Amino acid sequence: ELKVEQNPLFLSMQEGKNYTIYCNYSTTSDRLYWYRQDPGKSLESLFVLLSNGAVKQEGRLMASLDTKARLSTLHITAAVHDLSATYFCAVLHNDYKLSFGAGTTVTVRA
Amino acid sequence: NAGVTQTPKFQVLKTGQSMTLQCAQDMNHEYMSWYRQDPGMGLRLIHYSVGAGITDQGEVPNGYNVSRSTTEDFPLRLLSAAPSQTSVYFCASSRPNRGPTDTQYFGPGTRLTVL
Repeated sequence: ELKVEQNPLFLSMQEGKNYTIYCNYSTTSDRLYWYRQDPGKSLESLFVLLSNGAVKQEGRLMASLDTKARLSTLHITAAVHDLSATYFCAVLHNDYKLSFGAGTTVTVRA
Repeated sequence: NAGVTQTPKFQVLKTGQSMTLQCAQDMNHEYMSWYRQDPGMGLRLIHYSVGAGITDQGEVPNGYNVSRSTTEDFPLRLLSAAPSQTSVYFCASSRPNRGPTDTQYFGPGTRLTVL
């Protein structure tokens, strides 16, 4: 059974500083996703990472994938209040099954 | 495109009652799935379908039934609701031959409370 672990589970960020969320998974996979969820809302796709060494960036968020280490990171640059949300990584296995991490709840303070 | 729609948005049931959560998508996606979200546990896959007439179990299928008679619709049935099924339910869909940017698109969710 594929296990996906995120850490930290809670992250209090100070505006303007940089932070990283980690996502480890237990078996090989060919696809990893990052999603954002605002309170009471659905999930919004941020990144799809396909191959070892893949790096994608959108605004202040950058995601990378190391398939050999079974590790993905979501790096936040110069945090701003709008980035407060819960971030999930999810790993695709057996072609169609997504396994999610528990989520990282991010709060950005002034 | 409406994307993925779910009804109802909220529902309260008594233990033992049955109900169907509706999910529809208008993107002609072959793959559809149901997840439940509980605090501190992320999302867990209940059932999924790779096309009309084809369904399979996910991680937590007990207590739930699904069917897929059309490409557009993928209802989730609770046969005899239990308090442990109190959760937020999300439906998702995606294309089967996934390109480099393809992802699963999630519906707005159904918040279910079982008393």
